[in-house]
Amino acid sequence: QAGLAQPPSVSKDLRQTATLTCTGNSNNVGNQGAAWLQQHRGHPPKLLSYRNNNRASGISERFSASRSGNTASLTISGLQPEDEADYYCSAWDSSLSAWMFGGGTKLTVL
Amino acid sequence: QVQMVESGGGVVQPGTSLRLSCVASGFTLSNHGLHWVRQAPGGGLEWVALTTSDGSYIHYADSVKGRFTISADISKNTLHLQMNSLRSEDTAVYYCARESESFDIWGQGTMVTVSS
Repeated sequence: QAGLAQPPSVSKDLRQTATLTCTGNSNNVGNQGAAWLQQHRGHPPKLLSYRNNNRASGISERFSASRSGNTASLTISGLQPEDEADYYCSAWDSSLSAWMFGGGTKLTVL
Repeated sequence: QVQMVESGGGVVQPGTSLRLSCVASGFTLSNHGLHWVRQAPGGGLEWVALTTSDGSYIHYADSVKGRFTISADISKNTLHLQMNSLRSEDTAVYYCARESESFDIWGQGTMVTVSS
């Protein structure tokens, strides 16, 4: 089962804005949208947003998600040191009847 | 406190079996999708299996289909993953997760190492 495509790494300066992307197809991202999760090393993932632009409970407004066609995006504004983590997108694939994860993007805050 | 706690991981030889458990507290498993997701050392997240609380809707990743069985015991508020014919590539941290709005609650994970 092919996963969703994410860039392996993104580096941005402190207080800048980072936009992470996740590309799938019409059976997954383009169909029901994507969720975004954040994972710090040694910890379980944490849900940031679901179905494209719904922010999960307790998540900072600095995190916003969107979708255009088969590509989902996560924008993190005002980057902070604690934002340095791995970010994964996830979507249900209706043709495969399987949940898909992207390979993850390692965000470095310089 | 809403949480999920996995147990049952360990070091096993290829071809053997292992059963993972995930006890939920602070909520009932009913009316939620329930998942197992794994993460190989240094790797990304890989979805393993899904069940509804009543077991009426179950799906598996191709990589584990026919070897793993997911089940939920609502009376004990516990999710299980029976893993048979284990392979070295099954080595990973296994997380259970609740699907309410996507994967909103995760356990801390239990490590499974398959090695001779």
